[in-house]
Amino acid sequence: SQTIHQWPATLVQPVGSPLSLECTVEGTSNPNLYWYRQAAGRGLQLLFYSVGIGQISSEVPQNLSASRPQDRQFILSSKKLLLSDSGFYLCACTPVMETQYFGPGTRLLVL
Amino acid sequence: AQSVTQLDSHVSVSEGTPVLLRCNYSSSYSPSLFWYVQHPNKGLQLLLKYTSAATLVKGINGFEAEFKKSETSFHLTKPSAHMSDAAEYFCVVSDRGQNFVFGPGTRLSVLP
Repeated sequence: SQTIHQWPATLVQPVGSPLSLECTVEGTSNPNLYWYRQAAGRGLQLLFYSVGIGQISSEVPQNLSASRPQDRQFILSSKKLLLSDSGFYLCACTPVMETQYFGPGTRLLVL
Repeated sequence: AQSVTQLDSHVSVSEGTPVLLRCNYSSSYSPSLFWYVQHPNKGLQLLLKYTSAATLVKGINGFEAEFKKSETSFHLTKPSAHMSDAAEYFCVVSDRGQNFVFGPGTRLSVLP
């Protein structure tokens, strides 16, 4: 079965600083990968999804970008963080069984 | 287009009493349906899923859900609530494992 790793678990960054959140997946090959953001008291917002290396689809215009340099690695980045980027970021993967599995999440606080 | 409605933003039950979390969906395809649970500051954990097999689906921790096509519903139930069940629950619909649409979530409180 697949395992999803996210790091860091918690991050506090000043406004205007860069961001890099990493997600890696074990136990499956060629999964679909997703980045979600969950703001306090709100549901999940899909940010990016990827069906393969170098293939990124963006769901909402924003200050963030994503990359998939390897089959099981998905990175969420920003050049300059905004206060509104604060939230709980979740990486998810969909292996061939068509079920979505989630990582433990990264809590980002932008001050 | 798909959508998910979770009719209650917050449900409160006493420990040992039944739990009912409601979910209605709309989908142009034969959908796959899921329930996830999220404890504070944790990722989402899959409780159960329906993928066109048996309409009554049993999941982990004593939860189950029934797919009712005529009512476009997929309500989550548990006969007896436990304190550890207190969490946020999300109903999700998917078309063939490509797009996943999440409901807004229902917060379950369990009173002693």
